[in-house]
Amino acid sequence: EDQVTQSPEALRLQEGESSSLNCSYTVSGLRGLFWYRQDPGKGPEFLFTLYSAGEEKEKERLKATLTKKESFLHITAPKPEDSATYLCAVQEGGSEKLVFGKGTKLTVNP
Amino acid sequence: GAVVSQHPSRVICKSGTSVKIECRSLDFQATTMFWYRQFPKQSLMLMATSNEGSKATYEQGVEKDKFLINHASLTLSTLTVTSAHPEDSSFYICSAATSGTSVYNEQFFGPGTRLTVL
Repeated sequence: EDQVTQSPEALRLQEGESSSLNCSYTVSGLRGLFWYRQDPGKGPEFLFTLYSAGEEKEKERLKATLTKKESFLHITAPKPEDSATYLCAVQEGGSEKLVFGKGTKLTVNP
Repeated sequence: GAVVSQHPSRVICKSGTSVKIECRSLDFQATTMFWYRQFPKQSLMLMATSNEGSKATYEQGVEKDKFLINHASLTLSTLTVTSAHPEDSSFYICSAATSGTSVYNEQFFGPGTRLTVL
């Protein structure tokens, strides 16, 4: 059973069309939930870390939220340069290991 | 922000040869480095965790004699794929972490190395 499930697998938006990406997790004792952006052929780029339910963080057009079961990455008025694969990863208590979801491939059309 | 580099970015080798990949933290000291493998359209899968000066801890199913990891200093870790075979072709990514920064537990990723074994 996957510990981290991301949905949808792929999402196409028009420029300016806001939407949300979902990351659900089943680990116990969450130490942290991480969002990364990955461009083709590149390593993941850190976006956010969330530690407790109710926490929210924002960066430009992105906003990440966390509940006890899932996290959302909200994208407001996206631009074509926001096109990338967005990865969610969780870290269990007592471990430094990150367990990644399969990602959501976002395409923003001009 | 913290920068992690990898070298080489791409490598093509013949089956049976060994390949070494370097991972460096450029502007911070990494107490822990991680090695991941990513197949096309798949998630990052952790291969091993290495702490400076000690033996790496491998994930279940990863052959430690095939994937040799050395973390000799706080800024350098190497992954050597020994006797590479076509099924080892993949995108290898390292990350580095330190508890000494203001952002606890954050892992900084390198740009990845594309390995193709012919």
